[in-house]
Amino acid sequence: DTAVSQTPKYLVTQMGNDKSIKCEQNLGHDTMYWYKQDSKKFLKIMFSYNNKELIINETVPNRFSPKSPDKAHLNLHINSLELGDSAVYFCASSQVWGVAPTDTQYFGPGTRLTVL
Amino acid sequence: RKEVEQDPGPFNVPEGATVAFNCTYSNSASQSFFWYRQDCRKEPKLLMSVYSSGNEDGRFTAQLNRASQYISLLIRDSKLSDSATYLCVVNGEGGGNKLTFGTGTQLKVEL
Repeated sequence: DTAVSQTPKYLVTQMGNDKSIKCEQNLGHDTMYWYKQDSKKFLKIMFSYNNKELIINETVPNRFSPKSPDKAHLNLHINSLELGDSAVYFCASSQVWGVAPTDTQYFGPGTRLTVL
Repeated sequence: RKEVEQDPGPFNVPEGATVAFNCTYSNSASQSFFWYRQDCRKEPKLLMSVYSSGNEDGRFTAQLNRASQYISLLIRDSKLSDSATYLCVVNGEGGGNKLTFGTGTQLKVEL
């Protein structure tokens, strides 16, 4: 059983297009995240939702818009794609949002986005 | 200064060797510390949490020095399957589960 799943796994598209990535978790977790891992392998948080409410919104261009229709799903829509958006996007989830020192984040397999 | 700094490596070691990775973090308010492992073209996975008293999980030992803001990971009796990138992770500004990842240290275990 896949705990955190993402679709699509690969996405190749032209500059200027709009695309969406979907994420679902079946762990019953309250909190979900989007991360971006660039070509230098640096993994950086973009957004976090707790029970469908946005709680982290890092300095991300507003071309990126997350949407959480329910707490098991967190989608990422990207408008007007640019070359610099090429990266691997990981979705993750954790049980709660809080200061639990051992609250593990579980990552999806990633979506490799290539903008041409 | 980066929030979490690691030596990128690669560390090339023979099977059976002991290898240690270090990491420093800048946010003195950080409360939670982890080592994650990332295999090539795969997602990060939690290897172990790091506690002030130090903790061990089989061949892996993690240490935390809050005064020096320093975290370490020791791998004993390296296996080929240990080859991966090891990510040092702390909870950053804003606390909670907002994690800040280091850029990782690459380990290659060779025959």
